Amino acid sequence: IVLTQSPGTLSLSPGERATLSCRASQSVLSRYLAWYQHKPGQAPRLVIYGGSKRATGIPDRFSGSGSGTDFTLTIDRLGPDDFAVYYCQHYDNAPLWTFGLGTKVEVK
Amino acid sequence: QVQLQESGPGLVKPSETLSLTCAVSNASITTSYWSWIRQPPGKGLEWIGYLHYTGSTIYNPSLRGRVTISLSASRAQFSLKLTSVTAADTALYYCARHPGASFDLWGRGTLVTVSS
Repeated sequence: IVLTQSPGTLSLSPGERATLSCRASQSVLSRYLAWYQHKPGQAPRLVIYGGSKRATGIPDRFSGSGSGTDFTLTIDRLGPDDFAVYYCQHYDNAPLWTFGLGTKVEVK
Repeated sequence: QVQLQESGPGLVKPSETLSLTCAVSNASITTSYWSWIRQPPGKGLEWIGYLHYTGSTIYNPSLRGRVTISLSASRAQFSLKLTSVTAADTALYYCARHPGASFDLWGRGTLVTVSS
């Protein structure tokens, strides 16, 4: 399964809403879809797992949604700490984990 | 606070073996699954394989035959060995924990360059 993330870069101002897309090459179960935040030099951080569940410590301005082949990570009211690269990830029962190429959320 | 820390040589010669270790602190390695993931410069993340504390392992088919993940005797760390490396194996290597289908804890990564 190939995960295609769009856009490649999202230029937004603090306080705006970010909408990130992850499209799978075939229908997948949302419970196997996750999102990560990654900043340079830091460990990637789990943001959303099971398609829509927030990981520990993730503020409620982050939300995940979607089904089938189309999934979305929404960040309401971008804070200064939210500017980063976000990756979606899928797990199948092979087992095999695959990642999208990422969306960079940058300050406009 | 649970932490993962990767370590190992930053430079490996072509055709040699890449060896990395992931130290797990403030958590028991017997409570989860543990993976290696890498990211070549300018490219996406690639899952390499995982280890369960029982010793069972599963590897990405794209690397099968070259990769070995194992548990240390101390059970506080696990390792990655990748044989016959080429420039295509140059990457930032991460270790990560996954109790299920997602990785809930990652290390900061260590850069390995394959070059003569």
